[in-house]
Amino acid sequence: SQQGEEDPQALSIQEGENATMNCSYKTSINNLQWYRQNSGRGLVHLILIRSNEREKHSGRLRVTLDTSKKSSSLLITASRAADTASYFCATPNQAGTALIFGKGTTLSVSS
Amino acid sequence: DAGVTQSPTHLIKTRGQQVTLRCSPISGHKSVSWYQQVLGQGPQFIFQYYEKEERGRGNFPDRFSARQFPNYSSELNVNALLLGDSALYLCASSFRPDSTSATSTDTQYFGPGTRLTVL
Repeated sequence: SQQGEEDPQALSIQEGENATMNCSYKTSINNLQWYRQNSGRGLVHLILIRSNEREKHSGRLRVTLDTSKKSSSLLITASRAADTASYFCATPNQAGTALIFGKGTTLSVSS
Repeated sequence: DAGVTQSPTHLIKTRGQQVTLRCSPISGHKSVSWYQQVLGQGPQFIFQYYEKEERGRGNFPDRFSARQFPNYSSELNVNALLLGDSALYLCASSFRPDSTSATSTDTQYFGPGTRLTVL
């Protein structure tokens, strides 16, 4: 079963523009993570935000978490062609031993 | 430092056959997890192993099995392959088994995956 649902499913923007992806989840969480996947390859961990945090930054990435709405957003500023990838939000299972992923947002950045 | 490695990169099998996929974790990591990613979907958890013992199992049939060796590498076996087993199989390693819990600053590091095609 999937915990997170990303929105939109697909996003096409021009280089230099900002990209915003949203994730909604169903049950209470301790943390939420965002991963990137290039062309069906391995996943790269981008950022982890804990339930007591509202916002976190890492380079051009900004993640917010609203536990009252059970949602998170990932903002990529000044996007580049190299940001073209699929982005997934993931939350821990109850045992904290595995991640539950959403279906992902496919981002396409054209130059 | 080497990341998580997986072999083979690609594999083609026919229905009914058996397959073994291999994973070597990051040096020092004792926990290995396996995920299946069907095209267009997010990864789904199959197994977690820590110190050679199964610590977690996802909703997959008994045709799927795994094991972890003393050097913390792992194998995923799938018997009686079905067309629906065609997917990218991802291995992830972490230092602790509860890497995704709130108390841990650890995280899971994924390998490049093995693309399995069942004909």
